[in-house]
Parts: sequence; structure tokens; C-alpha cells
Amino acid sequence: DAKTTQPNSMESNEEEPVHLPCNHSTISGTDYIHWYRQLPSQGPEYVIHGLTSNVNNRMASLAIAEDRKSSTLILHRATLRDAAVYYCILGESQGNLIFGKGTKLSVKP
Amino acid sequence: NAGVTQTPKFRVLKTGQSMTLLCAQDMNHEYMYWYRQDPGMGLRLIHYSVGEGTTAKGEVPDGYNVSRLKKQNFLLGLESAAPSQTSVYFCASSYGGFPYGYTFGSGTRLTVV
Repeated sequence: DAKTTQPNSMESNEEEPVHLPCNHSTISGTDYIHWYRQLPSQGPEYVIHGLTSNVNNRMASLAIAEDRKSSTLILHRATLRDAAVYYCILGESQGNLIFGKGTKLSVKP
Repeated sequence: NAGVTQTPKFRVLKTGQSMTLLCAQDMNHEYMYWYRQDPGMGLRLIHYSVGEGTTAKGEVPDGYNVSRLKKQNFLLGLESAAPSQTSVYFCASSYGGFPYGYTFGSGTRLTVV
């Protein structure tokens, strides 16, 4: 199974951009890169996914390195509600999400 | 839209008791999943289903059984609960696995004493 590496924790100030990194040096050509987040006491929530090109949606942007060995989730203006654990996940052959420990994002007012 | 609904939300069991967790989705999704999450850890896949009448084992299937008799429902059973099964259980559904997004329920907190 393809693996990802994320920092255990990060801090941000409210209303500032946040860049959450993810390394996936063993990614295969057909693996999608997915990001989910889990707010306290809730189930995970889909954030964004991409294959090769950078992606934007209403929640965030995903920047994918040209060699696809790393990616960055960008929250353009962090709010207190964005405090959560963020998971970077690669597509698995049977389509099952395999979660690591993720990055715990703290947002300071 | 209700999305994915899990019942019950909380339950306390005695060792050796049995119970069934129910997951229901109203999005006509083909794929459904059961995960467990222990403190400080990511989610681990227990069982999953790629369609009505199908089930398959995930990463940690021992001690659990599942059934998918109807497309919208996915049941997780514990035949003889053990303290090691104390956890938060999440159900999820997906239109068709990757690259489609997964929708998760709000979880069932189970304590086995």
C-alpha cells in the first residue's frame, strides 16, 4: 500500500493561509491524492482530491508537485472551525481509504 | 439530505454480550464501509461492501460480522463483545470507491466493560 507522511501537528493564526504538507514518494501513476478532515467528535469529512493537476474547490486548494511525490493542502483563510485533524490519503487498489494519523491543525484567534 | 445515519450513537455492553450497529444511507451509493477509531489513531477498516449482497474483510475484521441485505443498509455485528472492541465506529458510503468521495456518519461510541 502506498504510504503518506504528514507532520503530527501544525499551528495557524485565524484568517491567515495554512499550507499542510504531505509526502508520498512511493505514489503510483494511477493513485489519486485525497484529503479528509475530522473535526472533534465527528466523522471524517471529504475536503478535496486530485490526480496530477492542481485543484480548487470551495473548501480548499490542492497543489500537487510535478513529480507527484508530494502535495500541499491550502486553506486560504483559516477559521476556528478549521481546527481538525487533516488526513492525506492515496488511492488504494480496491478503493478503500487507508488512514494514517494525520496532521492536527490548531487555529489561534 | 440525511446522508449516512448510524444508530445507536452510544452503547455500553458487558463482555460477552452481542449487538448490531446499523448504518443507513439515502444517497443510492454502491459502496459501504465500517471503520473503527481508537484514541489518538486514524481510522481502521473493519469490513466493506461493494454492492447489495456482497461483503469483504478489511484490515481488522476479527470479532465482527457484517451483512448488506439491502443496498441502503450495512449492519455491523459483534457476536461476543470484548473490552478490546471499545472504540468509536464510523460507517461510510461512496458512489463507487476511488476517486469518488466518501460520506461518513457521525459515529457510534461503544464501550465494553
